[in-house]
Amino acid sequence: ETGVTQTPRHLVMGMTNKKSLKCEQHLGHNAMYWYKQSAKKPLELMFVYSLEERVENNSVPSRFSPECPNSSHLFLHLHTLQPEDSALYLCASSQVESAGNTIYFGEGSWLTVV
Amino acid sequence: KQEVTQIPAALSVPEGENLVLNCSFTDSAIYNLQWFRQDPGKGLTSLLLIQSSQREQTSGRLNASLDKSSGRSTLYIAASQPGDSATYLCAPYSGGGADGLTFGKGTHLIIQP
Repeated sequence: ETGVTQTPRHLVMGMTNKKSLKCEQHLGHNAMYWYKQSAKKPLELMFVYSLEERVENNSVPSRFSPECPNSSHLFLHLHTLQPEDSALYLCASSQVESAGNTIYFGEGSWLTVV
Repeated sequence: KQEVTQIPAALSVPEGENLVLNCSFTDSAIYNLQWFRQDPGKGLTSLLLIQSSQREQTSGRLNASLDKSSGRSTLYIAASQPGDSATYLCAPYSGGGADGLTFGKGTHLIIQP
């Protein structure tokens, strides 16, 4: 068990659909993150929640909408996506107070937009 | 802005060889550097974390070194095995939360049986 669980593992959606990615961490961490990993590109940080408040939003299009209802759960709501949004979406968590503490990743959700 | 380069981008070697993966970064003002492993279609697993005050860190057959002043880190894998096949990413941490963690594109490693 990784400690960070993501569902679904695979998702195919049309450009007009609305879907959500879910992440749950069982590590007692107080910060959670969404990353996007596209082919041939480094990981891109999308959103950061620290103590359940959003602290980072790195110029992510509004068709991606994060939600953090509590410190253990994180969602990424998707609507009217584009084919170029197809990628591996990774959730991660860490303990925010410790500078540079180890970050733990989930297995990722493979998203294909058709 | 921190930039991370990993060389080589891909490497294929026979089983049993010792090998070195290289990572360079442009901003040497880092708190630490992590090496991650990523299996195909999976998430990242942290292998080693070296603090800025350390020169190296070891875990089993893995040894990571850090030369902060020159902006370099290496990951040494001894006696490679097919199970080591994966993509290896380095990520220096410059502080300021998750935005301070910058990933390289990784080295895709294949160990031939």
